[in-house]
Amino acid sequence: AQKVTQAQTEISVVEKEDVTLDCVYETRDTTYYLFWYKQPPSGELVFLIRRNSFDEQNEISGRYSWNFQKSTSSFNFTITASQVVDSAVYFCALSERGSGNTGKLIFGQGTTLQVKP
Amino acid sequence: KAGVTQTPRYLIKTRGQQVTLSCSPISGHRSVSWYQQTPGQGLQFLFEYFSETQRNKGNFPGRFSGRQFSNSRSEMNVSTLELGDSALYLCASSLIGRDDNEQFFGPGTRLTVL
Repeated sequence: AQKVTQAQTEISVVEKEDVTLDCVYETRDTTYYLFWYKQPPSGELVFLIRRNSFDEQNEISGRYSWNFQKSTSSFNFTITASQVVDSAVYFCALSERGSGNTGKLIFGQGTTLQVKP
Repeated sequence: KAGVTQTPRYLIKTRGQQVTLSCSPISGHRSVSWYQQTPGQGLQFLFEYFSETQRNKGNFPGRFSGRQFSNSRSEMNVSTLELGDSALYLCASSLIGRDDNEQFFGPGTRLTVL
């Protein structure tokens, strides 16, 4: 069965610290996509990154980086030199290619990140 | 390009009533998905519409229904409201709803059932 687990419910760091958000997924499909979304207090989910199951290259975008490891079914997200504006709930999500799976994201429970000044 | 819009933003209803929520996708997007977000269950997929047809459905009772119009705008309806239906309802649009399509989310409708 498909599942996404974000074991860290809440993380609190002080500004400028690096922080890693963990994501572990389960799927039987060989073709799938993984996503990270950010949900600030306003409520709207903001898309951060998409990764397909055949591309294990790590990705860096500014202070954000993602580490995808198929061998451990993990897709972890690191924020370098965190800032107060990074405070939000972060969701990892899975999308499968199997028939009948259109338009469906399976979300983890989310990790609340608090960055203190 | 305008983002996904949802109306109303806030709604208060009483048990037994019904409610209709509206979602306008990003121009050119033909797939609309709906999600329910609660503190206990997290984000759960309700259903997805494409070209006015429901293509995919989550594990929700029949009280939850939806539809999509020819301009891709979508509505979802919840009948006979229960206290447990209190949640943030999020709508997301994507180009065609394929697994590699990013979904862009609206601000949500916060429904409170008293």
